[in-house]
Amino acid sequence: TQLLEQSPQFLSIQEGENLTVYCNSSSVFSSLQWYRQEPGEGPVLLVTVVTGGEVKKLKRLTFQFGDARKDSSLHITAAQPGDTGLYLCAGGGKTSYDKVIFGPGTSLSVIP
Amino acid sequence: EAQVTQNPRYLITVTGKKLTVTCSQNMNHEYMSWYRQDPGLGLRQIYYSMNVEVTDKGDVPEGYKVSRKEKRNFPLILESPSPNQTSLYFCASSPHAGMLYNEQFFGPGTRLTVL
Repeated sequence: TQLLEQSPQFLSIQEGENLTVYCNSSSVFSSLQWYRQEPGEGPVLLVTVVTGGEVKKLKRLTFQFGDARKDSSLHITAAQPGDTGLYLCAGGGKTSYDKVIFGPGTSLSVIP
Repeated sequence: EAQVTQNPRYLITVTGKKLTVTCSQNMNHEYMSWYRQDPGLGLRQIYYSMNVEVTDKGDVPEGYKVSRKEKRNFPLILESPSPNQTSLYFCASSPHAGMLYNEQFFGPGTRLTVL
């Protein structure tokens, strides 16, 4: 059974600080996605990474896919209150028949 | 505006009283899915549909039913709700199944409490 673990489970930081959250598995995934879920809303896709070692940047967010495609990290520089939310990673395979597996999420709170 | 809508957003009911949560998408997506979200467990898939009249069980299908008679609608039915079905439910749609070159669009969620 494929599982995704995320750490930390909860994170509370001051505005302007940097942070990194992690997504780990014992299984290899062909692709991995990060979603952000704001309170009272559904998850929204931030990025998809498909190549081992791949790094993608989205403004102050940097996403990295591990070389072995078993792990990923999300780094936020100079966090802002608008970054508050639940960050979910999801892993998938190469075909449309491969299941998409979601991790439990990291709940981030950025205090002004 | 491209979106997935769910109704109701909040529902409190009692054990055994049948209920339906509606889901509709306006993006002509083939793939639709229902998830439940519980603290510490993340999103778990209940049922999914690859296209009209094609549905299949996800990871936690017990106690739920779905139908896909039209491409845009994918209602979730609880025939006899029980307290362990108290959860936050999300409907999602995407152009096709799988993750590669694909994005799931989620509805705003339905918070269900079964007393």
